[in-house]
Amino acid sequence: GQSLEQPSEVTAVEGAIVQINCTYQTSGFYGLSWYQQHDGGAPTFLSYNGLDGLEETGRFSSFLSRSDSYGYLLLQELQMKDSASYFCAVRDAGTGANNLFFGTGTRLTVIP
Amino acid sequence: SAVISQKPSRDICQRGTSLTIQCQVDSQVTMMFWYRQQPGQSLTLIATANQGSEATYESGFVIDKFPISRPNLTFSTLTVSNMSPEDSSIYLCSQNSPGQGNPEAFFGQGTRLTVV
Repeated sequence: GQSLEQPSEVTAVEGAIVQINCTYQTSGFYGLSWYQQHDGGAPTFLSYNGLDGLEETGRFSSFLSRSDSYGYLLLQELQMKDSASYFCAVRDAGTGANNLFFGTGTRLTVIP
Repeated sequence: SAVISQKPSRDICQRGTSLTIQCQVDSQVTMMFWYRQQPGQSLTLIATANQGSEATYESGFVIDKFPISRPNLTFSTLTVSNMSPEDSSIYLCSQNSPGQGNPEAFFGQGTRLTVV
């Protein structure tokens, strides 16, 4: 099975940096992704790590350590519009279908 | 990129009835996925819908309760049968990126179901 744990809530100030952690257990690891979901909206893809290290995409970066079964999403220069829920997700190639399984989710609140 | 259209966007249903949710994607894909998201919670995979074969259900979900159709490579339906208030949730369909090796998944806007 799959298990992905995240902090449930994070609050940060506009302009600051915030890190959202994800620890996972999965039988067939095939990369760690991050998704953003605003209230009432669909999840949208942010970032992906297939290998260890840091991936940077604008204000968002994501890190993976496969040996530690751990990753994080780093959001810089926070803006009010970044207030949303963030989910890490793993693709389980072991099922043969590349199913995507989501973490518990972190609700980020950005305050002025 | 991919465009996924779901309908209805929301519905309020009486307990004991059934609702069929439709999902249309704008490109042919082998697999489509159905998720449930209970209020304030994460997304839980219900089943994988392959065209031309029966859907594959995750633990805790059964075909009698959530029958799925996949008549072609761009369309799927999920039926929530014999509904109870516990079925009140958002149901989302999804596809993987059509690009080879592209890890991105795309989601419909979801169907917000309330069972009364």
